[in-house]
Amino acid sequence: QSVLAQPPSASGTPGQRVTISCSGSSSNVGSQTVNWYQQLPGTAPKLLIYNTNQRPSGVPDRFSGAKSGTSASLAISGLQSDDEADYYCTAWDGSLKVWVFGRGTKLTVL
Amino acid sequence: QVQLVQSGSELKKPGASVKISCKASEYHFTNYAMNWLRQAPGQGLEWMGWINTNTGSPTYAQGFTGRFVFSLDTSVTTAYLQISSLKAEDTAVYYCARDEGRPPGTFDYWGQGTLVTVSS
Repeated sequence: QSVLAQPPSASGTPGQRVTISCSGSSSNVGSQTVNWYQQLPGTAPKLLIYNTNQRPSGVPDRFSGAKSGTSASLAISGLQSDDEADYYCTAWDGSLKVWVFGRGTKLTVL
Repeated sequence: QVQLVQSGSELKKPGASVKISCKASEYHFTNYAMNWLRQAPGQGLEWMGWINTNTGSPTYAQGFTGRFVFSLDTSVTTAYLQISSLKAEDTAVYYCARDEGRPPGTFDYWGQGTLVTVSS
C-alpha cells in the first residue's frame, strides 16, 4: 500500500531547517489533502499536519506543510533534538479507495 | 483528555485467533469513526480500514478482508479488531486511531498500539 514516495532519511543540525518530500500521483496527493504524522521511537504516531497545511492545537509553528501538484512537503524549522523521529505522509487514494502512506522518513538531528 | 487504551501484547501460534480491544474515553464515542492500522516490525504504517461507530458498519481495505473483523461494544465505548487464522506475516503492532473527520482521515488520537507476535 506504500504508494507515496518519501526519502528514507533526512538530517540536519540544531537550528537548521529541513524539508521532507512526499511524492504521489493524481489519484492521491494530486487531488486530496495530505496529512503528516510524527512517530517518536517506540511510540504511537502523532498527528502533525492535517488538511495539507493545518497544525493541530499544540503543534509548534516550526512545523509546516505544503503541496504542489502531486508532491507534498513537510518543513521543520529551528530543528531541535526532540524532532528526531520518523515522519509519514498520507493521503486518500481515490482509485485504490484506501489511505495510502509513505514508507516514512527517519530524521536525524546531528 | 481523550484517550484510546489498547489491550496488551499477544503471542499466538499460527492458525490461532486474536482479539484486540481499544477502549475510548473522554469523548462521545459514536461521534467519531474508528480506524485500524498496522505496522510490521521496522516497517511503515498500513491502513486496514475503519468502522462507523454510529452504525457499526465496517469497511475493510484491500488485503484485510476475510480474516479481519472490526466490531464495537458501544456500551463500554470499545472497538475491537479480531484476526483469525493467524500467519507469521500478521506479526505487527496494531493501532486504533480516531478519525476527527474534518476532513476525513484526520487521525487525531491513537491508541498506544498492541504488538501481536505470531510464532510457533
